Amino acid sequence: NAGVTQTPKFRVLKTGQSMTLLCAQDMNHEYMYWYRQDPGMGLRLIHYSVGEGTTAKGEVPDGYNVSRLKKQNFLLGLESAAPSQTSVYFCASSFTTSGNTDTQYFGPGTRLTVL
Amino acid sequence: QKEVEQDPGPLSVPEGAIVSLNCTYSNSAFQYFMWYRQYSRKGPELLMYTYSSGNKEDGRFTAQVDKSSKYISLFIRDSQPSDSATYLCAMSARNSGAGSYQLTFGKGTKLSVIP
Repeated sequence: NAGVTQTPKFRVLKTGQSMTLLCAQDMNHEYMYWYRQDPGMGLRLIHYSVGEGTTAKGEVPDGYNVSRLKKQNFLLGLESAAPSQTSVYFCASSFTTSGNTDTQYFGPGTRLTVL
Repeated sequence: QKEVEQDPGPLSVPEGAIVSLNCTYSNSAFQYFMWYRQYSRKGPELLMYTYSSGNKEDGRFTAQVDKSSKYISLFIRDSQPSDSATYLCAMSARNSGAGSYQLTFGKGTKLSVIP
């Protein structure tokens, strides 16, 4: 049981490049989330998904797109990276019909630098 | 006024001290309260979860919720150097209309326990 995993762990992009961050969970969770964490700003929700095939915007969605084609995977895309997207990105998942529904389980993070 | 306020610290204490970490909130709809611990360059991990006013104890950790004052605390007894981390409070209103169990996080308090 690996929990929540994220790929890649580190990435350096040039301005304007695109990339996709992959999140996978093996806990059969319905809900998945993407956050960014910046110094002094805390964790901010980018997008989330309440089930396979559904996505919704969070607090800071601009410049990002997401897809949830499979229940266990949640992808975060940057179409044209900007230096302001330099951050640490965390994926999280939550909610099963048996167990605490509010507690979110986090992945190890992806450190992204945009030059 | 932000929904959740948390003193960022840093907080430095000697080994063996009792540590008190606190968050205040303004949204009276928050019903579920969590504390996450985040070690440097790692993802947040759930430490404590509670949904009622009062105290909940787990080993050296005690979570306290006072809904009337909109105030939550985490106490760490006999603090150890391994407790050095950033502690994030998180809260949920379980808004069924939104269809997701979104959490609102504090910005985190950085704790150092000095041997």
